[in-house]
Amino acid sequence: GESVGLHLPTLSVQEGDNSIINCAYSNSASDYFIWYKQESGKGPQFIIDIRSNMDKRQGQRVTVLLNKTVKHLSLQIAATQPGDSAVYFCAERSGLGGGADGLTFGKGTHLIIQP
Amino acid sequence: AAGVIQSPRHLIKEKRETATLKCYPIPRHDTVYWYQQGPGQDPQFLISFYEKMQSDKGSIPDRFSAQQFSDYHSELNMSSLELGDSALYFCASSFREGVREQYFGPGTRLTVT
Repeated sequence: GESVGLHLPTLSVQEGDNSIINCAYSNSASDYFIWYKQESGKGPQFIIDIRSNMDKRQGQRVTVLLNKTVKHLSLQIAATQPGDSAVYFCAERSGLGGGADGLTFGKGTHLIIQP
Repeated sequence: AAGVIQSPRHLIKEKRETATLKCYPIPRHDTVYWYQQGPGQDPQFLISFYEKMQSDKGSIPDRFSAQQFSDYHSELNMSSLELGDSALYFCASSFREGVREQYFGPGTRLTVT
């Protein structure tokens, strides 16, 4: 992922609506993907992950979709709540580091919840 | 549940000084990762360790070094600090085998003046 500098893409949604955050990843050899939520001044918080042999995975209020053909990942958050306000990052792992690979993060998206 | 512990949480250093950041992984996790996050940027992977051996290497400057100890904790040593080193430094831990999701600590905010 490339650094975005001081400008983050922003997604503004109404409380209670569904949110969809998109991410394009760069390495077709990546075998594992994770979505993280990061609040200001805090560490990234694990949300959900998906392996490259899957297309969809669901968690509590969240769904991740993986399209390997176009190297695209999305995170769907159902019934968005004020506590969902944060920066969301997708991250990919190349699978070449023997299990201890570093993650490559995509550009973050700042999710803002409107009351 | 126990999380990743990092110390110190805040650190102020002057240019050309050295700094040491510490990371204590989640109990029973055997792999540690270090990341650097500049203001408004995504985290950048620096280095990882498994069983005290360097496992993967990212964009870690030559001025930085790290190691993992027998109790699995890790230290990131930073020398000849530059203004551009000011950032949040995160440690993450995981199991090397199995699902392997990485859990991040709260970070150390390093300010170089």
